[in-house]
Order: sequence, then structure tokens, then C-alpha cells
Amino acid sequence: QKEVEQNSGPLSVPEGAIASLNCTYSDRGSQSFFWYRQYSGKSPELIMFIYSNGDKEDGRFTAQLNKASQYVSLLIRDSQPSDSATYLCAGGQSGGYNKLIFGAGTRLAVHP
Amino acid sequence: SAVISQKPSRDICQRGTSLTIQCQVDSQVTMMFWYRQQPGQSLTLIATANQGSEATYESGFVIDKFPISRPNLTFSTLTVSNMSPEDSSIYLCSVEAPSLQETQYFGPGTRLLVL
Repeated sequence: QKEVEQNSGPLSVPEGAIASLNCTYSDRGSQSFFWYRQYSGKSPELIMFIYSNGDKEDGRFTAQLNKASQYVSLLIRDSQPSDSATYLCAGGQSGGYNKLIFGAGTRLAVHP
Repeated sequence: SAVISQKPSRDICQRGTSLTIQCQVDSQVTMMFWYRQQPGQSLTLIATANQGSEATYESGFVIDKFPISRPNLTFSTLTVSNMSPEDSSIYLCSVEAPSLQETQYFGPGTRLLVL
């Protein structure tokens, strides 16, 4: 069964620090990976996607992909209390199904 | 990204009844999906709503319990039938971005409580 694994947390970081969120996946055929942020009581919001090995930066967010290790990460620089949320990692299912496989999510708490 | 709306935003229902949830997108999209998110859990895909044909259901979900309609490229409905308290959950529709394969955007969700 194809899976995406995340540490459920909570991951607690001080304001201004770098938050590092990690994710591993089992489907070697997955080509695309996504990070969603979900505030309590809200729906998931797409914040980053990455298709190629290496780093992709967007503002304070950097996504990293290592297909050989089947590992995806999200770095949040200069963490703010407003970044406190659950972060969901998702991978595209191989085989042309256009479906995403979601991890259980990591809860991030940024404290002042 | 597409603007997605869902109705109702929340509801409280009695067991044994059915509820139909609507999902409307402001542009035509090929792929629409329905998910369930139970309290404290991640997202579970219920089915892919196919325009002009029957929905494709994931393992553990059946059409009799979760009938889906997709009459056009901007609209879909999910019905939760013969509800029990175990159906209490958030139901989310999502659409695949037309220009970014596999990239999905989510609607605001429908919070359902079954008594």
C-alpha cells in the first residue's frame, strides 16, 4: 500500500527560528509532491509544490525533494506565530490516476 | 487558483437521514474529488467525480452510501446516505488545477454532525 509518512508532532519552535517539517513516501513512481497548510477548523491550503530533486524556494518557504531517499521536507524560515497550523504532505500517486496520497500531518506550534 | 464554494458549510442531521453537499467551481475543471476528514485525522479520498460518467470510488467507499453526481465541469454533489454518528466528519471537495497536473485546491468544507 502506497503511503506518505509524517511525524504528527507537535513540533514546537520559537518565533524567528527555522521550522523543519519532514515527510517520506513509499511510492517510487511519485513525481510530484505538495505541502498544504491547514489551520484549525479550515480546509487545506496549498503552499508549495515540487517536482524535481533539489530545493524550491518561495518567500520564507523552501521545499526539498530527494527522490533517491524518497524524502520531502519543508523549511519555514523566520517562523511566526501565524505559521502555527497542521502541515500536510502529499504525493501524487503513480500510474496516471491524478490522485494524491496524504500524510497524517505535522502540527507546528510557533511560540513567541 | 480556482474559487471553490461548498454548501452547506455545516449541518446537524439525525441518523438515518441523508444530506447532499454541493461543490461549485468558478471555472471549468476536468478533475473533481471528494474527501472526508474525520476529527484529528488526515484526508481520505472518497471518490473521483467524473463528468458524464459514474464516479470512481476508493476502497471502503460505495456508491449506495456516497452517491455522487457531476452534471457539468463546474459542479458536483456528494450525498451521504442513511447517516450514522460515524459519518460525522468534514467533507471536502477539491479540483485539479487545469495547468498544474495533480495540483489540487480545496473548497472550504462541510462540517457534518450526525446525532
